[in-house]
Formats: sequence, C-alpha cells, structure tokens
Amino acid sequence: QQQVKQSPQSLIVQKGGIPIINCAYENTAFDYFPWYQQFPGKGPALLIAIRPDVSEKKEGRFTISFNKSAKQFSLHIMDSQPGDSATYFCAASGGNEKLTFGTGTRLTIIP
Amino acid sequence: NAGVMQNPRHLVRRRGQEARLRCSPMKGHSHVYWYRQLPEEGLKFMVYLQKENIIDESGMPKERFSAEFPKEGPSILRIQQVVRGDSAAYFCASSRAGINNSPLHFGNGTRLTVT
Repeated sequence: QQQVKQSPQSLIVQKGGIPIINCAYENTAFDYFPWYQQFPGKGPALLIAIRPDVSEKKEGRFTISFNKSAKQFSLHIMDSQPGDSATYFCAASGGNEKLTFGTGTRLTIIP
Repeated sequence: NAGVMQNPRHLVRRRGQEARLRCSPMKGHSHVYWYRQLPEEGLKFMVYLQKENIIDESGMPKERFSAEFPKEGPSILRIQQVVRGDSAAYFCASSRAGINNSPLHFGNGTRLTVT
C-alpha cells in the first residue's frame, strides 16, 4: 500500500514534444505529491509539487495533472528541450515525514 | 546560500570495514533525512532526524546502521561491518520546517562501493 508505481521506465521524445510521465498510488493517506528531476551524479531536485485540493498545477513548462478518484498523477513537460534529458521521479507522502518514491523515468529529448 | 553538503562524494570500503557518511544541511534547516538509492531504482527512506533526536528510523536496517544529528556539526550516517549489498548512493536531504511545510532539498550524495 506504500508503493508508488511509475511509468514508463524510459521515454524518448523529439525536441518540442510533450513527454508525459504517469504515477499511481494506493495509500489514500497520501496528500503531497512532488516531482523530482535528477541528472547523472547529482541529487534529486524538486521540480513541482501538488496537493489533492487542485487537479492541475503549472510552473513554467512543467504541469502536474492530478486525478484523486483514480489515485493517479502525471507530469507533462511542454516544449521539451535536450536539456530536459534526465531521470524524473514522482513521490508521495502523507501524515509523516517520509517520501515514497517511484522507480524513475529516464527521459531523453532528441534534437 | 550553500546547498546540502555531503562528503565524501565517493567512498570505497572493504567488506567488514566501517563507513561514515557526513551531511551538512542547508543553513537554517533543522530537519535532516537520509535516503538510499540502488542502481536503476528510486530513493528509499532510511531515517529522519532533528537536532539531537531521531524522529523516524523505520527505514533503517535493524543492524549495523546508525544515524545521528548532534547539536554541533554535521549529521552522520554510520554503517558498521559493511557488506557488498550496502553498495549504493546515499543521499541526505534537509528542510526548514518539515516536508509538509517546506521543500526538501537533496545533496549530491555519497556513492559507497564495498569491495
């Protein structure tokens, strides 16, 4: 019940396209859903986060869509650039200080 | 404002030795967290500390692993009698007021290799 399932495992998108990464969870106590971006050899960096009281949040080219009834949330990257090539992790937490991470999506944006 | 500082960046230990990983949180942050990342996997929570207190160690293996965050100095993750399965990247993170009130910032990790 503590798992966060992330898909796809890897994704290749043409520059300017819109990669979409999906996550699903079971634990209804989760109430905080951040996305992290990680480059090789670096730590994860917070990109954007959402709480269940809204269905969508946009920050720059990054958008989270949240479907509370389906217990799913997704990350969309608009106008993707080669510099967006990285590994993306979704995560969730609720009621404590622990983040439960998905297994990651390796995104490659080709010029 | 320096980020979360971890050292060493890389650590090689032989089986049976001890590994000590250090983490200095961001200035003004009193909440420290340790996560472990195995190759091609997501991060797994290990322990959550505030100054001089372990708040949640539910993700720590029961034996050989310990963590502290003393009143002065960095947080330390200590692994005694390391085994090959301990090889992983260990990330420290900090927040100003807990993850429900402030963002979690990660360091660049310590990559432990056990030979």
